[in-house]
Amino acid sequence: EADIYQTPRYLVIGTGKKITLECSQTMGHDKMYWYQQDPGMELHLIHYSYGVNSTEKGDLSSESTVSRIRTEHFPLTLESARPSHTSQYLCASSGTGLSYEQYFGPGTRLTVT
Amino acid sequence: AQSVTQPDIHITVSEGASLELRCNYSYGATPYLFWYVQSPGQGLQLLLKYFSGDTLVQGIKGFEAEFKRSQSSFNLRKPSVHWSDAAEYFCAVRGDSNYQLIWGAGTKLIIKP
Repeated sequence: EADIYQTPRYLVIGTGKKITLECSQTMGHDKMYWYQQDPGMELHLIHYSYGVNSTEKGDLSSESTVSRIRTEHFPLTLESARPSHTSQYLCASSGTGLSYEQYFGPGTRLTVT
Repeated sequence: AQSVTQPDIHITVSEGASLELRCNYSYGATPYLFWYVQSPGQGLQLLLKYFSGDTLVQGIKGFEAEFKRSQSSFNLRKPSVHWSDAAEYFCAVRGDSNYQLIWGAGTKLIIKP
């Protein structure tokens, strides 16, 4: 069982605020991912990383940014939150080599008022 | 390009009845296939995966899936569902590049008492 953590679990903030969603994993996985998911909908990849100092944008355009300074940590930042950013954000990681299965954190439910 | 289709947006099954959730994929080479489950407000949990070998794979929580290359399908089955199986189920296939997964839109499973 993979251990991957996300904080906060729930966040309600006002428009224009800067926020950082935290994601950490303890398995030493080299690959990490951020997905955006609206309730009852499919997952959309917004960022991924294959290792320290490596980040790429995913298929869904996002105004967020990410960093990967340490293997275990992959935070996502919104410089100025807007109501359109209201969604669930899921962090995932996968192991070294040719491992493709991804392990997910519990998610952060973000509401921007 | 790779794609995953889950034809049923939602399925309603009586408790104790059998279940089959459909998944069709498009992929040129031998696919790596996955089924995940998502309970409300939670992240995704890996149920089972297929890489090679026996086309009938067993997973957690009493689920199994059968890979049928001729039909490009990877359907999920359970002989007798429990109320706790009510959740969203996602099928995924390995993408061509960069250790990414291509996701289906999900099937919501509703259990009738």
